[in-house]
Amino acid sequence: DTGVSQNPRHKITKRGQNVTFRCDPISEHNRLYWYRQTLGQGPEFLTYFQNEAQLEKSRLLSDRFSAERPKGSFSTLEIQRTEQGDSAMYLCASSSLASMNTEAFFGQGTRLTVV
Amino acid sequence: ELKVEQNPLFLSMQEGKNYTIYCNYSTTSDRLYWYRQDPGKSLESLFVLLSNGAVKQEGRLMASLDTKARLSTLHITAAVHDLSATYFCAVAPTFSGTYKYIFGTGTRLKVLA
Repeated sequence: DTGVSQNPRHKITKRGQNVTFRCDPISEHNRLYWYRQTLGQGPEFLTYFQNEAQLEKSRLLSDRFSAERPKGSFSTLEIQRTEQGDSAMYLCASSSLASMNTEAFFGQGTRLTVV
Repeated sequence: ELKVEQNPLFLSMQEGKNYTIYCNYSTTSDRLYWYRQDPGKSLESLFVLLSNGAVKQEGRLMASLDTKARLSTLHITAAVHDLSATYFCAVAPTFSGTYKYIFGTGTRLKVLA
């Protein structure tokens, strides 16, 4: 296992289009997190899953955003009717429920540019 | 609401010099993380600090945690150009088993040759 994998790495889309990103967590990691990082800022928490259940959503996650983790493995983040303000790096992380686990591990991110 | 503040926001320093980045947070937490981020890249984990008084060192970087003061420091010794990057601290809520990190604003470090 090579870590958290995100696809695509880069996405350019026209305003108003829908986009979907995928995150494959580390095998057997129960928890999966999505963060958004805009230019010059630190990452901000969006949502997280434990297995297939979405347990928490930030108020940053507007109605145009939806995240799923249908089988408790990979996750998708969809943005509908993209706006220029959605341009950001979208980071996925995963963690284990095992007691010895002390941190979440981040993927390489998907950079979205809305033109 | 948990807030995490870093200072300075920007740091330009000469090679060979020492400096400290400070990370203050506003509520109880016993888990503090330091990350490095290069332009256009994701986060690289540097240090995980899990208890009061924890000190960790890797190369020219040393991190410490004082949970009573709600303060962590990242000390740079004899800086080299390769350390140029943005450094983030992040705090996770007192143990709930989740890693809903709250990140600081970041410190953009530029080491001049």
